[in-house]
Amino acid sequence: GAGVSQSPSNKVTEKGKDVELRCDPISGHTALYWYRQSLGQGLEFLIYFQGNSAPDKSGLPSDRFSAERTGGSVSTLTIQRTQQEDSAVYLCASSQNSFAGDTQYFGPGTRLTVL
Amino acid sequence: AQKVTQAQTEISVVEKEDVTLDCVYETRDTTYYLFWYKQPPSGELVFLIRRNSFDEQNEISGRYSWNFQKSTSSFNFTITASQVVDSAVYFCALSPGDTGTASKLTFGTGTRLQVTL
Repeated sequence: GAGVSQSPSNKVTEKGKDVELRCDPISGHTALYWYRQSLGQGLEFLIYFQGNSAPDKSGLPSDRFSAERTGGSVSTLTIQRTQQEDSAVYLCASSQNSFAGDTQYFGPGTRLTVL
Repeated sequence: AQKVTQAQTEISVVEKEDVTLDCVYETRDTTYYLFWYKQPPSGELVFLIRRNSFDEQNEISGRYSWNFQKSTSSFNFTITASQVVDSAVYFCALSPGDTGTASKLTFGTGTRLQVTL
């Protein structure tokens, strides 16, 4: 079946603007994860969802970052008042169940550039 | 806290050489899971293998093999007879298991493998 999809694939924005990044998980996958990949910080966890609730938001770097998931499917990561340090590739992953150690399958990512 | 160390930043080999990518991890969990992912130039992270802490058997899949040793907290990945298509960044990752519920992956910094003709 289809893999994890993310949109847009690329986003260029000006400092101070808000952006929304979308993730469509693999159909039927109950857990959804957001990570960020940047040159200086490597691959960092941001937040994960079980169904529509987020048991772990510990990786969100500031209150400018928020995420939601609706209908147990699509998730949106919102960054308000973007800063240049937000430039990174934002990766979404999903896993079939919400069990420990479930394999996470990743999407192609959204490359965000903040000018 | 969990930590994954991939000490090799970059490795260059000539095609058909064997290459081993090292991964050392730290965790206080008694149950945990280890993963390897491949990130080719296209950018998408591709799942390669998952291993739980109670299964120390080595695994072989074609030209790929993995050596899990709890005694040294290592989960090394060997590519036999490397090919140009193996050129990518390889990430080792760790996930806790004691809570029984889904959790984040902690990644190493990755090893860039360059295979040339």
